[in-house]
Amino acid sequence: QQQVKQSPQSLIVQKGGISIINCAYENTAFDYFPWYQQFPGKGPALLIAIRPDVSEKKEGRFTISFNKSAKQFSLHIMDSQPGDSATYFCAARLKYPDKLIFGTGTRLQVFP
Amino acid sequence: EAQVTQNPRYLITVTGKKLTVTCSQNMNHEYMSWYRQDPGLGLRQIYYSMNVEVTDKGDVPEGYKVSRKEKRNFPLILESPSPNQTSLYFCASTVRGGRDEQYFGPGTRLTVT
Repeated sequence: QQQVKQSPQSLIVQKGGISIINCAYENTAFDYFPWYQQFPGKGPALLIAIRPDVSEKKEGRFTISFNKSAKQFSLHIMDSQPGDSATYFCAARLKYPDKLIFGTGTRLQVFP
Repeated sequence: EAQVTQNPRYLITVTGKKLTVTCSQNMNHEYMSWYRQDPGLGLRQIYYSMNVEVTDKGDVPEGYKVSRKEKRNFPLILESPSPNQTSLYFCASTVRGGRDEQYFGPGTRLTVT
């Protein structure tokens, strides 16, 4: 019940295309949904986050879409660039105990 | 520069030989965590600490110990490492908890033979 299911495991997109990564959860106690980006050899870094009272959040080319009734949220990367090639983790925050539950990660490769 | 540092970055050891991975943050954050990252399993929390002298188990605590004697330091201790603890380990800190941005260290690649 505390799991966050992430798909796909890997994604190959051509430069300029749209990358879409999906996550699903069961626990309605989650109250915050961030996405982290990890480049090879580095630690993850916060990319964008959304609260469950908002259906969409956009920051530049990155958009989170949130569907509370379906318990799903997704990351859309518009005009994907080779520099976006990284591993992406969705996460969900549990209030009690206060912790983040991470998805299993998606390795994105953007080819020129 | 605001950062989380971990040492060592790479470690190869043998089964049963006690080791400590250090973690330090210079942002005066209250909350610190340890995660392990394994292919296909994502990031799993090992232990976390909401403040000095307060630590609690995460999702995969077996075989690990932690301590939080000072706000800035949160070492991870493997008293008797086993091969199934071969993994990539990350320390992270955040101002108060899960709704704040987590700052991750650069990672420690541990191999137990």
